[in-house]
Amino acid sequence: QKEVEQDPGPLSVPEGAIVSLNCTYSNSAFQYFMWYRQYSRKGPELLMYTYSSGNKEDGRFTAQVDKSSKYISLFIRDSQPSDSATYLCAMSAQSSASKIIFGSGTRLSIRP
Amino acid sequence: DSGVTQTPKHLITATGQRVTLRCSPRSGDLSVYWYQQSLDQGLQFLIQYYNGEERAKGNILERFSAQQFPDLHSELNLSSLELGDSALYFCASSVATGATGELFFGEGSRLTVL
Repeated sequence: QKEVEQDPGPLSVPEGAIVSLNCTYSNSAFQYFMWYRQYSRKGPELLMYTYSSGNKEDGRFTAQVDKSSKYISLFIRDSQPSDSATYLCAMSAQSSASKIIFGSGTRLSIRP
Repeated sequence: DSGVTQTPKHLITATGQRVTLRCSPRSGDLSVYWYQQSLDQGLQFLIQYYNGEERAKGNILERFSAQQFPDLHSELNLSSLELGDSALYFCASSVATGATGELFFGEGSRLTVL
């Protein structure tokens, strides 16, 4: 069993919809949680970062962490075609970037 | 543009061969990380260098090696290549080494082993 599980998709939704992307994990020691966005033929880029539990909002994006359920989510409101990309969740137990474990990514497509 | 430069973008070679991938980190970043991304394994951490010294090792095969030079650019050497080494290889850089710091990824080098 992988430490971080993420549904690969693809997920296709119409423009303007609310998108929910999720990851589950098995290591209860994880306390640093990230979402990276990866466009086709590009490298991942950090979208959201959260420490421990709770919510974090940045514009149309909201990241949620539920440590009791070992479950993290990324919500995208008013989705745009430019949001079409692969979204990778990532997490770490230690404050060391080399310890970050990445999910395998969910492919998201926003239909105009 | 992340500021991280990787060359070459694409590479096709044969089994048993050796290749070198190059990475120039963002200006001022001391840490360089190498990752392998394949369809079935996702993004796997290989190795990290900090200011010229190896800092952490991940799932890096013995056939692979890396180094970081005084000008902070890094090279990843892959030898005795196998079909299964076909993947995207990413370099990332950061100012520090903590998980709270942002990793800046290059656009990757796509390796195809035939």
